[in-house]
Amino acid sequence: DTGVSQDPRHKITKRGQNVTFRCDPISEHNRLYWYRQTLGQGPEFLTYFQNEAQLEKSRLLSDRFSAERPKGSFSTLEIQRTEQGDSAMYLCASSLATATYEQYFGPGTRLTVT
Amino acid sequence: GQQLNQSPQSMFIQEGEDVSMNCTSSSIFNTWLWYKQEPGEGPVLLIALYKAGELTSNGRLTAQFGITRKDSFLNISASIPSDVGIYFCAGLFNQFYFGTGTSLTVIP
Repeated sequence: DTGVSQDPRHKITKRGQNVTFRCDPISEHNRLYWYRQTLGQGPEFLTYFQNEAQLEKSRLLSDRFSAERPKGSFSTLEIQRTEQGDSAMYLCASSLATATYEQYFGPGTRLTVT
Repeated sequence: GQQLNQSPQSMFIQEGEDVSMNCTSSSIFNTWLWYKQEPGEGPVLLIALYKAGELTSNGRLTAQFGITRKDSFLNISASIPSDVGIYFCAGLFNQFYFGTGTSLTVIP
């Protein structure tokens, strides 16, 4: 399968714990995006990388959130001191820098904070 | 942030019927996209539109980029049960902004 993959698919954690999600983009794609989606809403942009550089962050990305893409391949999204309001689907997408509109999404990681 | 309004919010139709949905914004976008999302999965890109007035088809799906650049439309002809899902529009202006979705149910 050469699509975007995300791990884990589901994560249940207690409030206050830290969680980390991983995204593996399509191999030739140099742009990688993170979105958050809550029930009944469309995805909301969080941040994106071109290669290893983080080029933009949304105001939704509080200081408890951090994302990395150390070698320009896979990316991780960490949430520290999780809150119940962080419960959502976290989606990763990737694209070529020359065709930013053609974003291909992974299956998402469903986070539940209890 | 930018607000994209989709209508209708939900649709219940008989198999074989045509479907129309739209997406409007208070801001101008350079690119419009339409995605379909099924439960527990990420959105799947259906159609991308790059120029005002552009009309693009993908099988039974046809989408249009509004002349004002503030709206877009998606039509599905001769619906089938596998068309069930939530359809999202997305507009590109520096970053992507997604609509709230139209939930489609097709009754066999």
